[in-house]
Parts: sequence; C-alpha cells; structure tokens
Amino acid sequence: EAGVAQSPRYKIIEKRQSVAFWCNPISGHATLYWYQQILGQGPKLLIQFQNNGVVDDSQLPKDRFSAERLKGVDSTLKIQPAKLEDSAVYLCASSTSTGANYGYTFGSGTRLTVV
Amino acid sequence: DAKTTQPNSMESNEEEPVHLPCNHSTISGTDYIHWYRQLPSQGPEYVIHGLTSNVNNRMASLAIAEDRKSSTLILHRATLRDAAVYYCAHSGGGADGLTFGKGTHLIIQP
Repeated sequence: EAGVAQSPRYKIIEKRQSVAFWCNPISGHATLYWYQQILGQGPKLLIQFQNNGVVDDSQLPKDRFSAERLKGVDSTLKIQPAKLEDSAVYLCASSTSTGANYGYTFGSGTRLTVV
Repeated sequence: DAKTTQPNSMESNEEEPVHLPCNHSTISGTDYIHWYRQLPSQGPEYVIHGLTSNVNNRMASLAIAEDRKSSTLILHRATLRDAAVYYCAHSGGGADGLTFGKGTHLIIQP
C-alpha cells in the first residue's frame, strides 16, 4: 500500500513569512496527526484529526499555527508568521480509527528552516 | 506532564541481542506503550506496541514491567540495518496521539 505522502520535502523561509505543508494519509485511515520534531528530540504532537474533526489541538500554538483536514482526507498545516524556533521537521502520521491500539504510519516529513 | 526517559545511546555487536530500556513512570492504566525507530531523513517507523502483556512480532519483542512504569524493546539478533534512533512513546491524555521520549541512538558494531 502507498505510504503517507508529504510535500514539500524541504522549505527555507525568512522569519515572519508564512508557509504551508501538505499531507495525504494512507487511504482509509480516519485519523491524522501532525508532529513537530526539533533536531535531537522526539516528535511532539501538534494536532490530531478524526475524519475532518479536531480531536486534540492542545499543543498547537494557535496564535501562529493552523491546520485543516477538509473532506476527511488530505490535510494542510500552516505557520503564519514563522519564527526562528519553528525550524524543525514536520511529520504527518495516519492510523485507523484507534491508532493507539494499531500503530501509526509516518510520512518522511517536511524539513523547515527559518532564517 | 507525562515523561518518558531513555538512554541517549547504546552500542551492541552484530548478531547479538539488544535490550533497549525505557522509563514511563507517569503512564496511566489505559495508555499504550509504543516503540518506533528512525533513520536519518526518514519518518519514524513502527516497531511494536503493547498494553500490559509482553508482545512479539517479526521485528522485535516488547517486555512490559508488571507495574507498567518501564518497558524494554528486545532485538533478538541485531544486524547493521538495525542501527537507528529508537523512540519509546505512549498514548494517553484522553486522545491517542503519542508522547515520545528523546530516543536512544543504537550503534551496531560489525
């Protein structure tokens, strides 16, 4: 089966600019997650969608980050305006309806560098 | 806050077993324990998960302590391709997103 697709793979922007990342999950996976992975650390959950509804966005910096999952399939994560500390890899993952009991499939991520 | 701790790095020899420890002392009774591994420039890859009982699959075994405050990932016969960063994680907090540790960098010597 096809994996989780993410684009772009790399992005370099200046601080205060905006940026968007795209994710296409595995077909049929109802749950989609965005994680932020800073160099040398484990991934940190930003937001979880179940179909097109938000389940958990408690760790999403809502003053600058937004995400949507229209039609319950693809998702986009946006940062506006970006800060230097947003430099990280942004990972998308998907799972069946209860990922905790089945495991998660991650994409290769988008590496963001803010200069 | 939930906290997961792992050693920064471990080294083992090829074809020998590897035991990777993880402490998750604040885990609650319904939180699943997961392990993932990550190669450079790739996303994490699922290895194994469990709740209370020990688990085996084609990649590894997971031993969960009786009080669930720690777990051990066991690679029965390490190969050079097993060199990666291994992350311990657990679900919880009302949703099933994962809280990851900082990972253990596993080095395999030929």
